[in-house]
Amino acid sequence: GAGVSQSPRYKVAKRGQDVALRCDPISGHVSLFWYQQALGQGPEFLTYFQNEAQLDKSGLPSDRFFAERPEGSVSTLKIQRTQQEDSAVYLCASSLDRLGKLFFGSGTQLSVL
Amino acid sequence: RKEVEQDPGPFNVPEGATVAFNCTYSNSASQSFFWYRQDCRKEPKLLMSVYSSGNEDGRFTAQLNRASQYISLLIRDSKLSDSATYLCVVPSGGYQKVTFGTGTKLQVIP
Repeated sequence: GAGVSQSPRYKVAKRGQDVALRCDPISGHVSLFWYQQALGQGPEFLTYFQNEAQLDKSGLPSDRFFAERPEGSVSTLKIQRTQQEDSAVYLCASSLDRLGKLFFGSGTQLSVL
Repeated sequence: RKEVEQDPGPFNVPEGATVAFNCTYSNSASQSFFWYRQDCRKEPKLLMSVYSSGNEDGRFTAQLNRASQYISLLIRDSKLSDSATYLCVVPSGGYQKVTFGTGTKLQVIP
C-alpha cells in the first residue's frame, strides 16, 4: 500500500483480555516505531525495530506489552491482561532511516472497559 | 527539565494573524529538530524540519536557538485550515528515536 496501515482501527477489550494490534509499514522502510498517545498528550515512545531486530523497548510500560516484527515488515504489538490505563491510541510509524521523518498510520484506538 | 516542553495552549487567533510557538529541549547535543502537525483524531504528519540556519516554507518559518535551547514555529497569515495541534520533535537516542512534545493546540477563528 501507499501508506502505513494499522488494524483494527478501533478495539474494545474487557479488562484482563489479551489484544493484538497490527502494523503494516510502507514497503522498504527499515525502521518501525510504536507510540502510545493518551488523550491530550503527545505520542510516547514504546519500542523501535530496525528490520526484524528490536533495538529499543525501553518505552514499553510493563512486561504485559510485547512487540515483534519477525520478517522485518509487518509488526504486531500485543498487550496481555489489559488494564484500563492501557486505553489510548497506539500509533505505528515507519521510516526510511532518515532521522525524524516518520510516516504514521491512522492508529488503533484501544478502549479497555 | 523534561526532554521536550511545549505550551499546550490553546492559542486562539483570528484569521490573518501571525502566531508563534516555542518548544524547549534539554539535550544540548541534539542536532536535528522537527515540527509535526496533528489534526483532531488523525495521525501526526511531518510539517517541516528545523535547520540551524532556519527554515521557511510558504507561511511557515521554523527557527533554532541553540544558546537558549529552543525551537520556534511562526505561522503568518493564519488560515482556518491551520487549526491543529503542533508537535515539537527532538532526537533522543543513538539511532532514529525521537521524542515528541505534548503539542500546542492552535485554533484559528473566523
